[in-house]
Amino acid sequence: AQSVTQLGSHVSVSEGALVLLRCNYSSSVPPYLFWYVQYPNQGLQLLLKYTSAATLVKGINGFEAEFKKSETSFHLTKPSAHMSDAAEYFCAVTLRGGGATNKLIFGTGTLLAVQP
Amino acid sequence: ETGVTQSPTHLIKTRGQQVTLRCSSQSGHNTVSWYQQALGQGPQFIFQYYREEENGRGNFPPRFSGLQFPNYSSELNVNALELDDSALYLCASSLVRPQSGGELFFGEGSRLTVL
Repeated sequence: AQSVTQLGSHVSVSEGALVLLRCNYSSSVPPYLFWYVQYPNQGLQLLLKYTSAATLVKGINGFEAEFKKSETSFHLTKPSAHMSDAAEYFCAVTLRGGGATNKLIFGTGTLLAVQP
Repeated sequence: ETGVTQSPTHLIKTRGQQVTLRCSSQSGHNTVSWYQQALGQGPQFIFQYYREEENGRGNFPPRFSGLQFPNYSSELNVNALELDDSALYLCASSLVRPQSGGELFFGEGSRLTVL
């Protein structure tokens, strides 16, 4: 069975500081991995995805994530936080090919606060 | 703007009632998924439709049902509402399914409150 664990339900950083949001996955076969962002009262927007090409994936708004198979991790980073990055971030996993599994499994989310 | 629109945006129902939520997918997308997001939780997969047929279902009872129409709009129906059904219901469309590496495009959701 697949699962996703996001460590830290709340993360607070200062503007200009490094953002690190942690995601560990469990999957019996190589997965596809996604990071989505949700701003207040909005739906989810894709930040980036790993689909077995380069292990370092660059996304929108300066975010990137690195797929580390040995650590079963897909942590999200941004070198310098901006006030507009304050939002909730969700890591998600799905099986390649799918078959009967046609879904994204989301983590419980990490709420990022950016202090001035 | 994702091109996915949902209605209504907010609604209040009482226990035992029935509700229909609607979604208009992004043009050309043939796959639609519905997710339930309870307060403080990540979205939970309800079901997915591909070319008007249910193509995967999560751990939700049969009183959750859906339809996808030829124009790729869709509905989520919930019968016999329970208090725990209070949540944000998200519709997501895609051209390529997530299990093929496709991106989901989410609407802004319908927030259901059951009293």
